Amino acid sequence: KAGVTQTPRYLIKTRGQQVTLSCSPISGHRSVSWYQQTPGQGLQFLFEYFSETQRNKGNFPGRFSGRQFSNSRSEMNVSTLELGDSALYLCASTPGLAGAYEQYFGPGTRLTVT
Amino acid sequence: GENVEQHPSTLSVQEGDSAVIKCTYSDSASNYFPWYKQELGKRPQLIIDIRSNVGEKKDQRIAVTLNKTAKHFSLHITETQPEDSAVYFCPPGGGADGLTFGKGTHLIIQP
Repeated sequence: KAGVTQTPRYLIKTRGQQVTLSCSPISGHRSVSWYQQTPGQGLQFLFEYFSETQRNKGNFPGRFSGRQFSNSRSEMNVSTLELGDSALYLCASTPGLAGAYEQYFGPGTRLTVT
Repeated sequence: GENVEQHPSTLSVQEGDSAVIKCTYSDSASNYFPWYKQELGKRPQLIIDIRSNVGEKKDQRIAVTLNKTAKHFSLHITETQPEDSAVYFCPPGGGADGLTFGKGTHLIIQP
């Protein structure tokens, strides 16, 4: 099976702009989670989508939003970018079944805000 | 939500020695206890996990032990090798919230 893929891999944006990141899960996986990774804060949970519905949400401002499509692909959007949003954004997929907790991570999107 | 603390935040050991990382959690509903390894420039990957009905699990040089009463679980690595150098995360699962990975533990293997 193909692994989790993310596009784009690298992105440079200017403060105030918005950005959309994409994640394609492993075939058959219905849950997609998003994480922000920075040197200072580690790996922080943003949100999880399952069957096109947000199932869990982390402690991030409303500028961070996401959605999931019927084919389980997910997008994450950040509006009004700030310098502090520079980070590696990782998505991970799981089958979404009860007890199937292993997260399969994508390679990440490196976002730089200038 | 779940509070996860790892100790130590950085661990430096001589190659060939053992390393132990401890993870303390707060959500008593957690019933799944994994350890992820993230090498520099790579994605996190699951290396070992344990369910709440088991106290210990071993896989070659790595093992995980669980103390559910005290709400902590630990990663044990024996005969450490340079390729063990990485950041290790312990996000408990099975609770109501999403997984809490936190800041992890930087393990440095000194040659």
